[in-house]
Amino acid sequence: GAVVSQHPSWVICKSGTSVKIECRSLDFQATTMFWYRQFPKQSLMLMATSNEGSKATYEQGVEKDKFLINHASLTLSTLTVTSAHPEDSSFYICKARLNTEAFFGQGTRLTVV
Amino acid sequence: GDSVTQMEGPVTLSEEAFLTINCTYTATGYPSLFWYVQYPGEGLQLLLKATKADDKGSNKGFEATYRKETTSFHLEKGSVQVSDSAVYFCALSDRVGTSGTYKYIFGTGTRLKVLA
Repeated sequence: GAVVSQHPSWVICKSGTSVKIECRSLDFQATTMFWYRQFPKQSLMLMATSNEGSKATYEQGVEKDKFLINHASLTLSTLTVTSAHPEDSSFYICKARLNTEAFFGQGTRLTVV
Repeated sequence: GDSVTQMEGPVTLSEEAFLTINCTYTATGYPSLFWYVQYPGEGLQLLLKATKADDKGSNKGFEATYRKETTSFHLEKGSVQVSDSAVYFCALSDRVGTSGTYKYIFGTGTRLKVLA
């Protein structure tokens, strides 16, 4: 099946710094990608929908100035967590759709210390 | 709104035991239902799906039947292996209004540990 690659898998950063997470569709073009967040023992929550060439659509309660999304090409979407704080520590995972099927990246475990 | 509820884990079984992970849903439309599996250190992978009532999804010995009357999509496997140890997520996909957009709702995940 189609492959979505997410990088990095793990990241530890200091409070106040910014972290960029990349999501690539390796063998197909994705005009739309999705970013999810998962807290321990909770379900995946959709943060935003990333649209190639236009602004991302954020879910209610998600700070767009804190979670910057860029979808500059048909195969790459990036999520930047700006001025990270310990409460941003979480598992972030991207998803791309090909036809009617969804493919997930490997996820990124972010720990802010 | 739409929601997915699945049994809390962890579930610990011996090899060759029978597995059931319960999943129930609420939806306003006619959703498609999925089971995803997440192996340690990896992303989510589609395990199986069903798109309409009474459909049975199956893959790698796992099965789940779309039961509209009980709004359930329980995951079963007759004989688990150590390699099945992973986190299993139940999910639904439903169309948003009349647009071409689909939303995905996930359960909280159930960790399965199979002992040799």
